[in-house]
Amino acid sequence: KAGVTQTPRYLIKTRGQQVTLSCSPISGHRSVSWYQQTPGQGLQFLFEYFSETQRNKGNFPGRFSGRQFSNSRSEMNVSTLELGDSALYLCASSSSGGPPANEKLFFGSGTQLSVL
Amino acid sequence: GESVGLHLPTLSVQEGDNSIINCAYSNSASDYFIWYKQESGKGPQFIIDIRSNMDKRQGQRVTVLLNKTVKHLSLQIAATQPGDSAVYFCAEIRINAGNMLTFGGGTRLMVKP
Repeated sequence: KAGVTQTPRYLIKTRGQQVTLSCSPISGHRSVSWYQQTPGQGLQFLFEYFSETQRNKGNFPGRFSGRQFSNSRSEMNVSTLELGDSALYLCASSSSGGPPANEKLFFGSGTQLSVL
Repeated sequence: GESVGLHLPTLSVQEGDNSIINCAYSNSASDYFIWYKQESGKGPQFIIDIRSNMDKRQGQRVTVLLNKTVKHLSLQIAATQPGDSAVYFCAEIRINAGNMLTFGGGTRLMVKP
């Protein structure tokens, strides 16, 4: 069974551009969450999607958005990139979106975004 | 604000020794606490969890202890191996806050051969 797949693995953008990251959850998983990881702020929750609906959202500006498709694949978009958006963006999936402790969250290896 | 944090940023242990990684939390409303392991170039990997109404839970070579009185969580790794070298994060979740993890800052465990 394939794990969580994130593409691309690395991405370099310049300030002001926008970027789209993709996440394919484990087959059968319907919940997809996104996290941002930086050395300074650690791991921070961005948002969670379940059955194509955003269910939870973290404290990030509106430049950060996402969506989920009917096949549970998810994309996140960051518009008007800033230097501080440089980070590892992690996607995680779980089967039905219950508490992670009951349905372990499976993380992908992330997309490393560098903003120059 | 409410947070989950760690006492030690780096822990160096000898192979075969036991490791103890600590975590402090501030939110008494947390329902679950979870430990994750992150190796270089990979995403976090679930290790073990503990419900807030428990004091101790054991897994394979790992034990998590929860002290609600002082809001402290620890991960004990028995007979630490080189493959245990990684960054370890504690995280908490409140069920009524949805499927959202709040992570601590992480501790790097280095195992010396």
